[in-house]
Amino acid sequence: DIQMTQSPSSLSASIGDRVTITCRATQNIRTYLNWYQQKAGKAPNLLIYTASSLQSGVPSRFSGGGSGTEFTLTISSLQPEDFATYYCQQSYTTPRTFGQGTRLEIK
Amino acid sequence: QVQLQESGPGLVKPSETLSLTCTVSGGSIRSYYWNWIRQPPGKGLEWIGNIYHSGSTNYNPSLKSRVTISVDTSKNQFSLNLSYVTAADTAVYFCAREGRGAEGKGYGMDVWGQGTTVTVSS
Repeated sequence: DIQMTQSPSSLSASIGDRVTITCRATQNIRTYLNWYQQKAGKAPNLLIYTASSLQSGVPSRFSGGGSGTEFTLTISSLQPEDFATYYCQQSYTTPRTFGQGTRLEIK
Repeated sequence: QVQLQESGPGLVKPSETLSLTCTVSGGSIRSYYWNWIRQPPGKGLEWIGNIYHSGSTNYNPSLKSRVTISVDTSKNQFSLNLSYVTAADTAVYFCAREGRGAEGKGYGMDVWGQGTTVTVSS
């Protein structure tokens, strides 16, 4: 199985901050990497697919990058509604695997 | 607009079989992968498996011996059976649609059900 590791596991930031979350895969997954946002009690919401493509309806302050084994999710200017847990997930092969999550909290 | 809705018992006894159905509305069940994912209380996301409308399946090796996913294209539904459940199977279970790429690759799970809580307890 391909293991996905996110860093940091938790992050405190302020409104307006720029934040970056990193996701690493244990083998080359090209650009088959997706990012999700999950709020408490809700289903995950797809933000970015294939590493850098912005899902329809997602604000442009979210961006993704990377290829191979290292990827990033950047939020350019944090808004109150962005405080949530973020997951990366590889879709290069099965089993699909998720990172452990990054909890983004208000400082 | 495609919507997914999970249904099934919220309480299952240990050693019995957990059975859930996901109903797809507002679109066809063809041309996508249809996934089951679960999330134990306070923990992260675990992929259970997926199915294509042809009936082709992929399962998480950690659950493969206990999992069956099936599809009913006439009803626009797909289902999950998880046998011999224990307390460790207590979780919120989600169904999700995934864009299908070549050679089994995917393009992200873009539509999710709201999730259904399943508790395993006697």
